[in-house]
Amino acid sequence: DADVTQTPRNRITKTGKRIMLECSQTKGHDRMYWYRQDPGLGLRLIYYSFDVKDINKGEISDGYSVSRQAQAKFSLSLESAIPNQTALYFCATSDGETSYNEQFFGPGTRLTVL
Amino acid sequence: GEDVEQSLFLSVREGDSSVINCTYTDSSSTYLYWYKQEPGAGLQLLTYIFSNMDMKQDQRLTVLLNKKDKHLSLRIADTQTGDSAIYFCAELYSSASKIIFGSGTRLSIRP
Repeated sequence: DADVTQTPRNRITKTGKRIMLECSQTKGHDRMYWYRQDPGLGLRLIYYSFDVKDINKGEISDGYSVSRQAQAKFSLSLESAIPNQTALYFCATSDGETSYNEQFFGPGTRLTVL
Repeated sequence: GEDVEQSLFLSVREGDSSVINCTYTDSSSTYLYWYKQEPGAGLQLLTYIFSNMDMKQDQRLTVLLNKKDKHLSLRIADTQTGDSAIYFCAELYSSASKIIFGSGTRLSIRP
């Protein structure tokens, strides 16, 4: 079974709709992250959380919100989706224990906003 | 500011060596990474190097770090079709304990 799972894997929605992307992990890691990937721009950090009570904005948090419901769950919401939020979204985790802070990625959610 | 730059595409012939280059901005980065993304999948850590090292070798992979020029490279020897992927350079941005990724280099293999 995958250690980091994301649901849904694909989603098509319309402008103005509220969308939630979910991430679950069985790795027991405290740290979780949401990134978006756009062609030619690589991965950009949206939000990150170092434990259940800790939420931090990344470089492109506008238009997004997150909820850390438990150590294992970190969801990303688009309150009112717009077409330029069409992208591939990745959740990642890390344990914060190793000095090199390896991140483990989910398979991604492809979101299309029409 | 936080920035990691790399070229977008590289094409090599099967069996040749591939060299992917990257420049970064945070001179106090303690770790630099290469992540690999295969089609339809998330990223996986391929290798990393601690900032006090100049070189790290792991089987077909060689990482070179030039701290003076803030330049990182990944050499893949005897490139195979299974090496086709997007390779991301990344640095651990020390002031916030977060990782900054480059745009990724898409490596394609010619027969």
